[in-house]
Amino acid sequence: DTEVTQTPKHLVMGMTNKKSLKCEQHMGHRAMYWYKQKAKKPPELMFVYSYEKLSINESVPSRFSPECPNSSLLNLHLHALQPEDSALYLCASSLPRDTLSTEAFFGQGTRLTVV
Amino acid sequence: KQEVTQIPAALSVPEGENLVLNCSFTDSAIYNLQWFRQDPGKGLTSLLLIQSSQREQTSGRLNASLDKSSGRSTLYIAASQPGDSATYLCAVSSSGGSNYKLTFGKGTLLTVNP
Repeated sequence: DTEVTQTPKHLVMGMTNKKSLKCEQHMGHRAMYWYKQKAKKPPELMFVYSYEKLSINESVPSRFSPECPNSSLLNLHLHALQPEDSALYLCASSLPRDTLSTEAFFGQGTRLTVV
Repeated sequence: KQEVTQIPAALSVPEGENLVLNCSFTDSAIYNLQWFRQDPGKGLTSLLLIQSSQREQTSGRLNASLDKSSGRSTLYIAASQPGDSATYLCAVSSSGGSNYKLTFGKGTLLTVNP
């Protein structure tokens, strides 16, 4: 099973709403990532969790709050977003770097629209 | 700062043609290089992973090569099919500081015409 599952697939939220994106994998991967992708652009890294600890935060605004409650789950909590935050949000996972393979597997993404 | 460039930005070929997609990166201190496929509005599908110590990897009609010293990788697609139409992304994992960071190129939009 090389599947990363993201929910929901689509989300429309107002600028005053609070919502969460969820990501789940059961491959035993201990590195999990959030990427943001705007139309016709490559994915941009937002956060990296390694062994359930935040290891990289690419200077993401605080209206995005990641959480890794256990080794299989990754959440992204959203609050007071702006219309320019509308994008495809991708979750990925991989084995940690000190293993033979760090192949990254991506989910299908959540299409977020902020109105 | 690692930068990844993909050439061409778009490519249109007739069905059955063999083709090559190019990827270059500025910092040769990479851990691995990965090729992905992305269909419109969808997530990324991993095609091939090449570790920094490897020269090439093959999967079916796909063959990827890596020349770390020159900062280049190519993805060769044999006997292209309309179902191969997608955006192909190259990503490198840097081996310094940010161990887990993938840096992506802007992609090549491939159209295979029946």
